[in-house]
Amino acid sequence: DADVTQTPRNRITKTGKRIMLECSQTKGHDRMYWYRQDPGLGLRLIYYSFDVKDINKGEISDGYSVSRQAQAKFSLSLESAIPNQTALYFCATADSFRITYGYTFGSGTRLTVV
Amino acid sequence: ILNVEQSPQSLHVQEGDSTNFTCSFPSSNFYALHWYRWETAKSPEALFVMTLNGDEKKKGRISATLNTKEGYSYLYIKGSQPEDSATYLCAQADRGSTLGRLYFGRGTQLTVWP
Repeated sequence: DADVTQTPRNRITKTGKRIMLECSQTKGHDRMYWYRQDPGLGLRLIYYSFDVKDINKGEISDGYSVSRQAQAKFSLSLESAIPNQTALYFCATADSFRITYGYTFGSGTRLTVV
Repeated sequence: ILNVEQSPQSLHVQEGDSTNFTCSFPSSNFYALHWYRWETAKSPEALFVMTLNGDEKKKGRISATLNTKEGYSYLYIKGSQPEDSATYLCAQADRGSTLGRLYFGRGTQLTVWP
């Protein structure tokens, strides 16, 4: 099984719908992140969490919300999806005490909003 | 928001050629520089994390150097192989309250032709 699992892998949804992307990890890492990738742009940070009680906005948090249900689970919600939220979404994790090991990424969720 | 730039945007080389590309980043408040390898349809994987000026890291045919005073890092691939084809991402972590949060460049897409 993958260390960082994202569900669903692919999703098509309609404008205005609420959708949740889920991320779970077996790495035991305390830090979790949500990024989005758009063609021609770098990965941009949506939200991040350094532990269960810590949630922080990233560069592009408008239109998104998150929930850290447990150390191992970090969900991203689009409250009312719009077409410009069509993107590839990545969840990533990191260990505060081994930050020089880098991030571990999930396999991504490709979301299309029509 | 930190401006991390990578060049070139894309690169096509023949099998056996050696190649290198550049990551430029703001040198103030520097904490760490990450390199990731991202193959199509897979998730980004950490290659190197460097923190000290003059750091050099090596993994097989791939190596990286870091100059924090002038704000750049080079990634070298010796004797490129088709399996090296991927997008190479660099990212900077800054020394602030958001320690551990990464700012990504747009990546260099490498294609190695047999």
